[in-house]
Amino acid sequence: DAGVIQSPRHEVTEMGQEVTLRCKPISGHDYLFWYRQTMMRGLELLIYFNNNVPIDDSGMPEDRFSAKMPNASFSTLKIQPSEPRDSAVYFCASSFFKENYGYTFGSGTRLTVV
Amino acid sequence: AQKITQTQPGMFVQEKEAVTLDCTYDTSDPSYGLFWYKQPSSGEMIFLIYQGSYDQQNATEGRYSLNFQKARKSANLVISASQLGDSAMYFCAMREPNRDDKIIFGKGTRLHILP
Repeated sequence: DAGVIQSPRHEVTEMGQEVTLRCKPISGHDYLFWYRQTMMRGLELLIYFNNNVPIDDSGMPEDRFSAKMPNASFSTLKIQPSEPRDSAVYFCASSFFKENYGYTFGSGTRLTVV
Repeated sequence: AQKITQTQPGMFVQEKEAVTLDCTYDTSDPSYGLFWYKQPSSGEMIFLIYQGSYDQQNATEGRYSLNFQKARKSANLVISASQLGDSAMYFCAMREPNRDDKIIFGKGTRLHILP
């Protein structure tokens, strides 16, 4: 099992550019979560999907952020236009719906917007 | 109100000593799950241990155990015989399955193991 795969590992972009982060969940997991981690705010849940359907996007900071899950094996998080305050580590995680099952996290994407 | 509170932003512990990382939680739901994750300096999030609200015994996984005190809403992580490789950020987290499927994380405790 390759685990949750995120790409790219690092992204440096200029303010105003579009950024797309990618995630491949573990096969068979029916939940997918996008988190953002910063020193100031810790781990924040942005959005999560169940069976490819967005369930809760209340954590998405503003309209510049969007996420899609076109199929069970792929999800994207897009920021357009990007701003310096979007600089953070973005994690994707997947899970079964099972009480005692934690998430499996990807390695994260470190985004720097200059 | 915070759902998960970790009051120790940082801790320094001598190698081979036992470590207790504090976590309190807030929920009115009788069914919930508690998790601990480790984040080393390399950045990945590693699942350590789980405790269910109805579990009668404290969870254990190798050198990790969870000191679950339900009435106090406390779920402290105990690491026995600490090692240098235990130096990392540790996050306590909770899931309320009757509410939704999210896991809510605390702010974390940074643990430093001293040689």
